[in-house]
This record gives sequence, C-alpha cells and structure tokens, in this order.
Amino acid sequence: KAGVTQTPRYLIKTRGQQVTLSCSPISGHRSVSWYQQTPGQGLQFLFEYFSETQRNKGNFPGRFSGRQFSNSRSEMNVSTLELGDSALYLCASSPQGAGANVLTFGAGSRLTVL
Amino acid sequence: GESVGLHLPTLSVQEGDNSIINCAYSNSASDYFIWYKQESGKGPQFIIDIRSNMDKRQGQRVTVLLNKTVKHLSLQIAATQPGDSAVYFCAENLQGAQKLVFGQGTRLTINP
Repeated sequence: KAGVTQTPRYLIKTRGQQVTLSCSPISGHRSVSWYQQTPGQGLQFLFEYFSETQRNKGNFPGRFSGRQFSNSRSEMNVSTLELGDSALYLCASSPQGAGANVLTFGAGSRLTVL
Repeated sequence: GESVGLHLPTLSVQEGDNSIINCAYSNSASDYFIWYKQESGKGPQFIIDIRSNMDKRQGQRVTVLLNKTVKHLSLQIAATQPGDSAVYFCAENLQGAQKLVFGQGTRLTINP
C-alpha cells in the first residue's frame, strides 16, 4: 500500500511569489491535514480537509490556503511568499472516522524562500 | 492555551541502554497523546499512542507512560539501537479536534 505522497519534494522560490504543494493520501483515506515544520516553531497545524471541506484551521495568515479534490488529493497554496515561509510542509492522512492520533505523514515538501 | 513541550532538546545514550524521553503538556482536554519519530529527510513516523484514560501502554521495545496529575508523558525505549537515532516528538490530540499539537522535539543520539 503506497504511503502519503507529496510533490514536489524540494523547491526554491523568491519573495513575493506563490507556491502550490500537492499531496496524495493513502488510498481510502479521506482526511488530509497539513503541517508546517520549522526549526524555530516546530510542527504547527495548518488545516485539515475531509470530503472537500475544510474542517479545522490553524493560526496562519490568509496567505495560506488549501483545498481537497473529490479523489481526496489535496493542495495547499502560499501566496506572496515571505522569507519566514521557508519550511518543511508536511501532509498527513487518516482513515474516515479515525482521529488525528492515527495520522500517517508524507516525507514533506521543503520550501526555501530567497 | 495549547502547548506541548519537551524537557530536553538532546539526549545521548549508549547502544543497548534504555532511553527515556520526557514531555510536558498543558491541555487536560486532550484525548490522545502520541509519540512520533522523525529521521532525517523523512516525515514523522507514528511510534505509539496512549489514550487519556490510560497510564501505561507498551509496544515493541517502547513504553509510554502518562501521568495526568503532573501532566507528564514519557517514552521509554528499551535496548536502544543505532536505528533509534532520530528526533522524537510528543503530540496531543485535543478531544473532538482533528489536529495535533506537537512538542519541540528531542534529538536522540545512540553512541556505539
């Protein structure tokens, strides 16, 4: 069974640009969550989607957005990039009806903003 | 507020010894507490979880202890191996919320 797949794995952007990251959950998983990981702030929750609806949102500015498609694949977008957005962005999925305690994480997309 | 923290940022142990990684949390409403292991270049990997109504749970070479009186969580790894070298995170799952609050992490180094 394939795990959570995130693309791209690495990318470099400049300030002011926007970026879109993609996540394919484990087959059959319908909940997809996104987390940002930085050395200073650690792992922080961004948002969670289920059946194409955002159910939970973390404390991030509106420049961070996401969506989920009917096949459960998800994308997150960061607009007007800032240097502080450099981070590892992690996607995780869980089965329907399961809690966040059974999240399976992908390897992440490492974003560098210059 | 929500916060989960770890007492030590780094821990170094000899191969074959037991390791204990500690974590303090602040939210009494959490339903589950989870330990993750993150190796370089990888995402966090689930190790073990414990429900808030339990005190202890054992897995393969790992034991998690939960002390709700002092809001303390620990991960014990028995007979550590080189492959145990990683950063370990504790996390709490707030009841009813489909999200995790993570601690800052402890880097475990296994010395040969």
